[in-house]
Amino acid sequence: SQTIHQWPATLVQPVGSPLSLECTVEGTSNPNLYWYRQAAGRGLQLLFYSVGIGQISSEVPQNLSASRPQDRQFILSSKKLLLSDSGFYLCAWSTGNKGYGYTFGSGTRLTVV
Amino acid sequence: KNQVEQSPQSLIILEGKNCTLQCNYTVSPFSNLRWYKQDTGRGPVSLTIMTFSENTKSNGRYTATLDADTKQSSLHITASQLSDSASYICVVRFSGGYNKLIFGAGTRLAVHP
Repeated sequence: SQTIHQWPATLVQPVGSPLSLECTVEGTSNPNLYWYRQAAGRGLQLLFYSVGIGQISSEVPQNLSASRPQDRQFILSSKKLLLSDSGFYLCAWSTGNKGYGYTFGSGTRLTVV
Repeated sequence: KNQVEQSPQSLIILEGKNCTLQCNYTVSPFSNLRWYKQDTGRGPVSLTIMTFSENTKSNGRYTATLDADTKQSSLHITASQLSDSASYICVVRFSGGYNKLIFGAGTRLAVHP
């Protein structure tokens, strides 16, 4: 069966520090991978999506970047965190254009202090 | 503008009672509509998914309805349990973009004993 792993679950980082959140998927090949951010009381906002190794599309300009070094690994990074980067980050995967297998990870609560 | 609006923002009900959550969307062209349950600090978990040709779909005590003409959906929860306390998110897939999902802000449901 397919599983998605996301870590860490919580993270407190000072302003200006770097960030690296990792997401891996098991039990499937060539998944579409996504990074979302959820602000309190707001809907999920798509940050990045990837349809293959090294293929990254950004939905909104921001202080973050994403990379996909392996087929089932998706990394969200920042060189210097801002206070506004605080939020709940979710990784998700799907297969195929219809995205019926859309599954979310357990999320990372990032607090920038 | 493609939007998904949910009501109410929050809801408190007593254990054993039924409730209905609403979702209105302006997404076009429309592909499918999903309801997710999100426990606090966790990733969303899919409850139902419906295409434009489906009017209703059930998953245990959860029943979702869809009126593609009026662009409205509802999620009905029967015989609520304490474990139903969570945020319920309506998500519409926009078929005009690659796996583009438009998320509502969610309805926060609290079930009290």
